[in-house]
Amino acid sequence: QKEVEQDPGPLSVPEGAIVSLNCTYSNSAFQYFMWYRQYSRKGPELLMYTYSSGNKEDGRFTAQVDKSSKYISLFIRDSQPSDSATYLCAILNAGNMLTFGGGTRLMVKP
Amino acid sequence: NAGVTQTPKFQVLKTGQSMTLQCAQDMNHNSMYWYRQDPGMGLRLIYYSASEGTTDKGEVPNGYNVSRLNKREFSLRLESAAPSQTSVYFCAGMPSGTVNEQFFGPGTRLTVL
Repeated sequence: QKEVEQDPGPLSVPEGAIVSLNCTYSNSAFQYFMWYRQYSRKGPELLMYTYSSGNKEDGRFTAQVDKSSKYISLFIRDSQPSDSATYLCAILNAGNMLTFGGGTRLMVKP
Repeated sequence: NAGVTQTPKFQVLKTGQSMTLQCAQDMNHNSMYWYRQDPGMGLRLIYYSASEGTTDKGEVPNGYNVSRLNKREFSLRLESAAPSQTSVYFCAGMPSGTVNEQFFGPGTRLTVL
């Protein structure tokens, strides 16, 4: 079983829609959860991170962690065509290294 | 301030050839990383360097070697390329005192025929 699982998509939504991106993980000891955004043919960039359970909001983006079900989510409100990218969840493992999910490709259509 | 730079951007090799991927950062990062990215596999760690003069294996180190030449530069070498090493390679750096916030370079697309 992979440590971090993510639906590869692609996920296609109309502009203005609310987007929900999700990951599941296997190790309940994980504490730091991150979301990276990767535009086509570019390197990933950190979007936001959360510690332990709960929500964190940054503009149109909200990251949510449910440790009881080992589930992390990224919500995008009022999605824009410029949000079209691949979104990678990542978890800080016991060795202080990042373990990445496979990424979900999001397409926001005007 | 260029951040993390990688050269070359693209490379095509024949099986058995060798090459070195270069990475440099001007952000004074202590830690540097090499990843490969394959479709549906996410980023997998090949090697990392927690500080100048140290290197350690990651998840998929076989077939690769690294050198942390100085604080700025961290190179990845393929001694005898294989088609299974066809991938996009990313270098990343991380400053001290962050929660593993890594800054990535633009990547090198490598094809091994």
